[in-house]
Amino acid sequence: QKEVEQNSGPLSVPEGAIASLNCTYSDRGSQSFFWYRQYSGKSPELIMFIYSNGDKEDGRFTAQLNKASQYVSLLIRDSQPSDSATYLCAVNRGKLIFGQGTTLQVKP
Amino acid sequence: GAGVSQSPSNKVTEKGKDVELRCDPISGHTALYWYRQSLGQGLEFLIYFQGNSAPDKSGLPSDRFSAERTGGSVSTLTIQRTQQEDSAVYLCASSLRDGGGMNTQYFGPGTRLTVL
Repeated sequence: QKEVEQNSGPLSVPEGAIASLNCTYSDRGSQSFFWYRQYSGKSPELIMFIYSNGDKEDGRFTAQLNKASQYVSLLIRDSQPSDSATYLCAVNRGKLIFGQGTTLQVKP
Repeated sequence: GAGVSQSPSNKVTEKGKDVELRCDPISGHTALYWYRQSLGQGLEFLIYFQGNSAPDKSGLPSDRFSAERTGGSVSTLTIQRTQQEDSAVYLCASSLRDGGGMNTQYFGPGTRLTVL
């Protein structure tokens, strides 16, 4: 079992819809979690981080953390074609442990 | 610029040659990290520095890989006797300080290494 698991996708959603990206992790002691976005041929860019159970909102993005169930999710509201990218979930242990990433396709 | 910079952006080398990859972290960031991303693979941790020390080298794949950091700033990742399986994008990241918590890492643009 990988330490951080993501469905590789692709996840395809129509423009304007909500995209839901999920991530599970195996180390119950993990404290903080990051979502990065990576466009093809580019380096990862930070979207947001979360460390408390519940929801954290930033613009069109909402991160959700459930430590009891060991999953983290990222919701993107009003998805735009420019959101089409690979979304990487990472567990922070000083170093980042990344999932394989989920490819999101937003179709106009 | 204010971001992490890496050089070269692309490097093509022949099998068996040595290569050096450079990373300039964000000014004031004490922690520096190297990752590798191979085609179809996820991001793989290699090594991290706090200041000039490397508390965690656990991700270096073999003794052909080494890294150093000087002056608490610039870092160099050296790959000796390169092999074709070393072909990947090498990413550097920096953060304000090390450890867990909300220590956000910011990535540079990467160096794409191709070993022929």
